[in-house]
This record gives sequence, C-alpha cells and structure tokens, in this order.
Amino acid sequence: ETGVTQTPRHLVMGMTNKKSLKCEQHLGHNAMYWYKQSAKKPLELMFVYNFKEQTENNSVPSRFSPECPNSSHLFLHLHTLQPEDSALYLCASSQDPTEGEQYFGPGTRLTVT
Amino acid sequence: QKEVEQNSGPLSVPEGAIASLNCTYSDRGSQSFFWYRQYSGKSPELIMSIYSNGDKEDGRFTAQLNKASQYVSLLIRDSQPSDSATYLCAVTSLNTGFQKLVFGTGTRLLVSP
Repeated sequence: ETGVTQTPRHLVMGMTNKKSLKCEQHLGHNAMYWYKQSAKKPLELMFVYNFKEQTENNSVPSRFSPECPNSSHLFLHLHTLQPEDSALYLCASSQDPTEGEQYFGPGTRLTVT
Repeated sequence: QKEVEQNSGPLSVPEGAIASLNCTYSDRGSQSFFWYRQYSGKSPELIMSIYSNGDKEDGRFTAQLNKASQYVSLLIRDSQPSDSATYLCAVTSLNTGFQKLVFGTGTRLLVSP
C-alpha cells in the first residue's frame, strides 16, 4: 500500500448505529487530519493530530470522536449521527503540521439514514 | 466575506486552449498557496504549490501569486479533456502549532474535445 488509505470506502448507517472510519498513511508523515466535504461547501477541517497528539478540534460535535494510536493511523468513531452528517469524510497527512502540503486519502462516503 | 473565494463555474474551454482559474483570499497573513484537482467522486490531489509572488511553472500548469492583491491563479496550457475536474484553491492560515488549510468551494472546469 502506498500513500493514504481509508476504509471503508462507503458506509450506510442508521442514526443509532456506532461505526468507525479508519485511515492509514504510508508516507512517514507526522501530522494527520480529518476533513468533511459536503456538496456545495468547502472542505471543512475537523481534527488535527501531530505526533498522535490532538492539536485542533474545530468545534466538531461530540458524536464524532477521533483516535490516533500512532502517527500512521487515525480513526473517526461515529455514534448517534444525524442525516446532515452524510458527506465525504477525507483523511489527509502532511510531513508536519507546519507543512501546508497535505495528501488526501480516497475518502469514505457516509450516508446516515 | 468568504475566506477563500472561487467562481464555481463551470468554466468551459475547448481542447488545446488555455484555462485560467482564479482565487482570492481574505487573510493577509497567508504564506502558502495550493491548487488541488478533484475528479468527480475522487479525493483532492495536490498539483501546485506557490509561496512567493510571481509565477511558478510545472509542465502545462502555471501558478501565479500576487500577495498585494490577495490573488492566486492557475493557468492550464494546452487543455485536455482529462483536465476536466474541479480545481480547489487552498491557502494557509496560521493557527497555534499548525498551518490550517482553508479551501475554496472550487471551480469546475470542462474541456471539450
């Protein structure tokens, strides 16, 4: 595997379900990010991790819970989501958080029913 | 005022023509500027970065930056149908400890054969 990978690629879940999104980067980077992309809206930064420590929580509702066990892996735990949370969730990484060049994974298309 | 503004398009150009994509930003402190290409159903792919005023060329792509006017552009020479995609402009905003990427909503480019 190369670059940034994400699983699953597609996810349909009910509002009462609990699920997790997984991201893995094979670039040797130290910073990882979660973004949300909704139709007609710019990419929204959700969380930033630097050397597995969270450095930013961009006012994200608590029904989204990130986890970063090491600098290569990032999870987004989901529970009691709302239909408006349906979106493309993108993971990205960069060499370090002062580096603006970020590389994205393929994303998880999430539908909340 | 939006932090990063782009015309949503679509911008239609014939094959072989020059496509000109424009972006303005509001944060005068921004230091780094990026262009990402996003094909439909795919994730953003970094294609150009520029850090100082002037032009930067990479193959058929030229990025132009004018910090005084808070303006970034991307020129695509000899446009090909495979260039049809949404182009996202992103600029950095310095937060505590990391460079936050702020994205525009993107310009959709259509290159007709």
